[in-house]
Amino acid sequence: EPEVTQTPSHQVTQMGQEVILRCVPISNHLYFYWYRQILGQKVEFLVSFYNNEISEKSEIFDDQFSVERPDGSNFTLKIRSTKLEDSAMYFCASSELTGGAYTEAFFGQGTRLTVV
Amino acid sequence: GDSVTQMEGPVTLSEEAFLTINCTYTATGYPSLFWYVQYPGEGLQLLLKATKADDKGSNKGFEATYRKETTSFHLEKGSVQVSDSAVYFCALNPKTSGSRLTFGEGTQLTVNP
Repeated sequence: EPEVTQTPSHQVTQMGQEVILRCVPISNHLYFYWYRQILGQKVEFLVSFYNNEISEKSEIFDDQFSVERPDGSNFTLKIRSTKLEDSAMYFCASSELTGGAYTEAFFGQGTRLTVV
Repeated sequence: GDSVTQMEGPVTLSEEAFLTINCTYTATGYPSLFWYVQYPGEGLQLLLKATKADDKGSNKGFEATYRKETTSFHLEKGSVQVSDSAVYFCALNPKTSGSRLTFGEGTQLTVNP
């Protein structure tokens, strides 16, 4: 069964450093997403990406965040200068495009980011 | 804006007990509604969904009915198992392709043998 894969599973970084979280979406999917879950809190939407551009972003997704699809398979989330409050589980997801109707988003297993 | 509210957890049950996890929502229009499950150490998996009023989603013995009049989508299971121990998230989507999911707080379920 096709699945969304994320690497690394756990990343520890020092405050102020840049991190890149990587995701390989399901191959025939065209919409890609990043969500995050701070420990003990809700899963929150960060950004959606379609046709090589951001289609929607939340108020959390400020200038320190960026997303990219550098090749035909990877989808990355970059945090330029990490803060302690960026510590969270980051989930990548992808979905198909079917004529405007919603289709199920498939989630990866997540990358736990710890900023120290 | 859209929002989802779940009953506060955690919930602890004995095996074979009846489960209800309440979920209510606020949204414009007629969103699609979902329950996702997160087993320990794993990502989010879709458990069931309903796309219009009075639809019943079901999977693995779990059920939820889309109630427009009460804006609710409560999750139920008649007889829980130890393997059902997980975090359950209610979520909605406004039915626009590529649009975001809005999640509830999540409810931790522990089932004891």
